[in-house]
Amino acid sequence: AQSVTQLDSQVPVFEEAPVELRCNYSSSVSVYLFWYVQYPNQGLQLLLKYLSGSTLVKGINGFEAEFNKSQTSFHLRKPSVHIRDTAEYFCAVKRAGYALNFGKGTSLLVTP
Amino acid sequence: IAGITQAPTSQILAAGRRMTLRCTQDMRHNAMYWYRQDLGLGLRLIHYSNTAGTTGKGEVPDGYSVSRANTDDFPLTLASAVPSQTSVYFCASSDTHSTGELFFGEGSRLTVL
Repeated sequence: AQSVTQLDSQVPVFEEAPVELRCNYSSSVSVYLFWYVQYPNQGLQLLLKYLSGSTLVKGINGFEAEFNKSQTSFHLRKPSVHIRDTAEYFCAVKRAGYALNFGKGTSLLVTP
Repeated sequence: IAGITQAPTSQILAAGRRMTLRCTQDMRHNAMYWYRQDLGLGLRLIHYSNTAGTTGKGEVPDGYSVSRANTDDFPLTLASAVPSQTSVYFCASSDTHSTGELFFGEGSRLTVL
């Protein structure tokens, strides 16, 4: 079975600074990879996804992620964060025919 | 565009009571899911349904049941609620014939006293 590890439970960062949220997965077969964002008191919405092809994936709100097969990683990055990026971020992995499996989440706190 | 609608948005419930959380989607997705979200544990899959008429158990199915009588509706029932079922519950759907991306409802916050 595939599993997802988000290495940081909380990431504090100043506004306009770059940020990287780390995600590692384990799976013996090919998987699809996702990042979701959850703003306070809301459901989850998709930021970006990797299905195949280019390993650098661009998503909404200026976020991007890079799939690294040898490192089994799918880290999320943004070059300059805003206050409004404060949210919970979830990495998820999906194997064909199976349900999506989520990491435990990383809380991004952006301060002025 | 409604997407996924969950009801109620919030509920306080006495232990031992029966409770059904409702979930309806209008995207004609074949698959639907129920997750619970707890602090420090992320989202854990309770039950899922790959198509109308079929259901399956997820990671934490005990104490919960589901049904999938049609494509649009996927209710989650707690037959006899316990305090450990205090959580935020999210319903989601996906078209498994494409990428399998999940679309989520806004959540139902349940408190069992």
